Amino acid sequence: GAVVSQHPSRVICKSGTSVKIECRSLDFQATTMFWYRQFPKKSLMLMATSNEGSKATYEQGVEKDKFLINHASLTLSTLTVTSAHPEDSSFYICSAATAEGGNTIYFGEGSWLTVV
Amino acid sequence: AQSVTQLGSHVSVSEGALVLLRCNYSSSVPPYLFWYVQYPNQGLQLLLKYTSAATLVKGINGFEAEFKKSETSFHLTKPSAHMSDAAEYFCAVSDYGGSQGNLIFGKGTKLSVKP
Repeated sequence: GAVVSQHPSRVICKSGTSVKIECRSLDFQATTMFWYRQFPKKSLMLMATSNEGSKATYEQGVEKDKFLINHASLTLSTLTVTSAHPEDSSFYICSAATAEGGNTIYFGEGSWLTVV
Repeated sequence: AQSVTQLGSHVSVSEGALVLLRCNYSSSVPPYLFWYVQYPNQGLQLLLKYTSAATLVKGINGFEAEFKKSETSFHLTKPSAHMSDAAEYFCAVSDYGGSQGNLIFGKGTKLSVKP
């Protein structure tokens, strides 16, 4: 079964509203979680790295005020897309790192966001 | 800067045929290379990873990949395709010196398997 769970798997929201995507590590404590975005027919792009209890580190070109990341506990990180626009429609996927087994990474199932 | 190029966005093979998915990388430091598979409506799963221990890496589901420094390649192969292998495959390189976290992905190759 999945060790990293994302919710919701699909969400449709109206333009201008905010939507939150959760990423949970089910069987382990994740000190570090990563958020990726996948554009149609393109590769996964790292958006930000979040560490529990501290501010996320955003990749160049990613608006930190638009994509709010909170890593409040060792098992939960959230990505909030604020004031969503149609161009934010995408596939968002998270991964979580465990220190066991040489820093293994597990990916979530991903979340499809459609902004209408 | 590191980068990954996957040749062929779509590969179609017959069941039982050889699978070859190409990946070339660019890296200024010894790379750590990964292949992931994504089945429809599922998350990414790690197939295999190269961390300099051995150039031929065996992964799950009968897949293997060979690191060739002279060719800057890390092609994924499987001797005999199965219908269940139909999925999207991503090659990735890490610039964390081993950690899989900060991965740079290729654009992916969709594998179709014909009966």
